[in-house]
Amino acid sequence: NAGVTQTPKFQVLKTGQSMTLQCAQDMNHEYMSWYRQDPGMGLRLIHYSVGAGITDQGEVPNGYNVSRSTTEDFPLRLLSAAPSQTSVYFCASSWGRDNEQFFGPGTRLTVL
Amino acid sequence: QKEVEQDPGPLSVPEGAIVSLNCTYSNSAFQYFMWYRQYSRKGPELLMYTYSSGNKEDGRFTAQVDKSSKYISLFIRDSQPSDSATYLCAIRDDKIIFGKGTRLHILP
Repeated sequence: NAGVTQTPKFQVLKTGQSMTLQCAQDMNHEYMSWYRQDPGMGLRLIHYSVGAGITDQGEVPNGYNVSRSTTEDFPLRLLSAAPSQTSVYFCASSWGRDNEQFFGPGTRLTVL
Repeated sequence: QKEVEQDPGPLSVPEGAIVSLNCTYSNSAFQYFMWYRQYSRKGPELLMYTYSSGNKEDGRFTAQVDKSSKYISLFIRDSQPSDSATYLCAIRDDKIIFGKGTRLHILP
């Protein structure tokens, strides 16, 4: 099993550009989530999904969209990138909302 | 008051020392407590998981919960340079709430 995979590993954007961070898992987990990790702020939940076709907002959803068309994939879209979105983004999956979360390796995003 | 508080460190200790990492939490109803370890430029991974109060031991690692004080601890015995990482406490409510993490350096 590959576990949770994320692409790209690194990305540099200009302000106003849009892009999609990819996340996939091969463990048949129902619950998937996106976090951002910033120095001094810890892990903050952006969006999550409890199953295909169902998504909901987390703590810091503004500026991000998600969709869950399949169990395996949970892409995160930045609509119009801003410097405040410079961060490390982690995707995670688990059997349920309160089960052990398995994290991907992260995407380091810089917005200029 | 934030739900989970954790000193960010960094904490530097010599190899072989006993390390104590701590978190406090606000809601006495919390029952499930976790410790995640995150190496530099990697995603967090679950290290230990405890339910309610008491101790749980796994090799050199011991997780302790004191519900009366709303205090959780992770002890690392015979610390090794490979233990250098950021350690995040986490609490399970209707979702998982993470502390901000403590950076630990084990000095050879």
